[in-house]
Amino acid sequence: EAQVTQNPRYLITVTGKKLTVTCSQNMNHEYMSWYRQDPGLGLRQIYYSMNVEVTDKGDVPEGYKVSRKEKRNFPLILESPSPNQTSLYFCASSPHPGTGSLGYTFGSGTRLTVV
Amino acid sequence: AQTVTQSQPEMSVQEAETVTLSCTYDTSENNYYLFWYKQPPSRQMILVIRQEAYKQQNATENRFSVNFQKAAKSFSLKISDSQLGDTAMYFCAFMNEAAGNKLTFGGGTRVLVKP
Repeated sequence: EAQVTQNPRYLITVTGKKLTVTCSQNMNHEYMSWYRQDPGLGLRQIYYSMNVEVTDKGDVPEGYKVSRKEKRNFPLILESPSPNQTSLYFCASSPHPGTGSLGYTFGSGTRLTVV
Repeated sequence: AQTVTQSQPEMSVQEAETVTLSCTYDTSENNYYLFWYKQPPSRQMILVIRQEAYKQQNATENRFSVNFQKAAKSFSLKISDSQLGDTAMYFCAFMNEAAGNKLTFGGGTRVLVKP
């Protein structure tokens, strides 16, 4: 089954404790992206990657890191989480840029709470 | 930068009735794509319908249809014969391939279908 797999689904952590949210896709998509969802704000892009070893900032990158060492994986790293990073996070992928009409395939989301 | 606005935070509708969700966007581009995504309580992001800006004909998917007014930069979603399973958060989104594959989302409209 074609899908984007995110883990964990729920995570509660303490301020300052480094964490990683994993994301993997099995569709050979070149484009991958991370979003955070907050009430009233919709989904906002954190980082994206056009291909292996190519990453760039989205609209709200502060406090986050990403890497793209393999085509299928795109982990989101919070080096020192803070309470304002409490949110619902989504990973998404799509085929090569230029196929925008196909939209994204989304993971099932990670609910992160930082206390 | 593109922006997407959904002016209705919440809407309710009786089962079997019709509801229309509004969406406006701002862009200087001529070629782009528009989407409506559904997010039920399971949190999964589900693509409901898509529209290419160069197509004048409004997209339709079963009980879901759009009213695309390019000059007015408006992209409303009509849900006909509403069903209880349509209860969800609905997001309007914009994509312009010239800016990469970035999806820009509106703030969302929560739809409650009442029996």
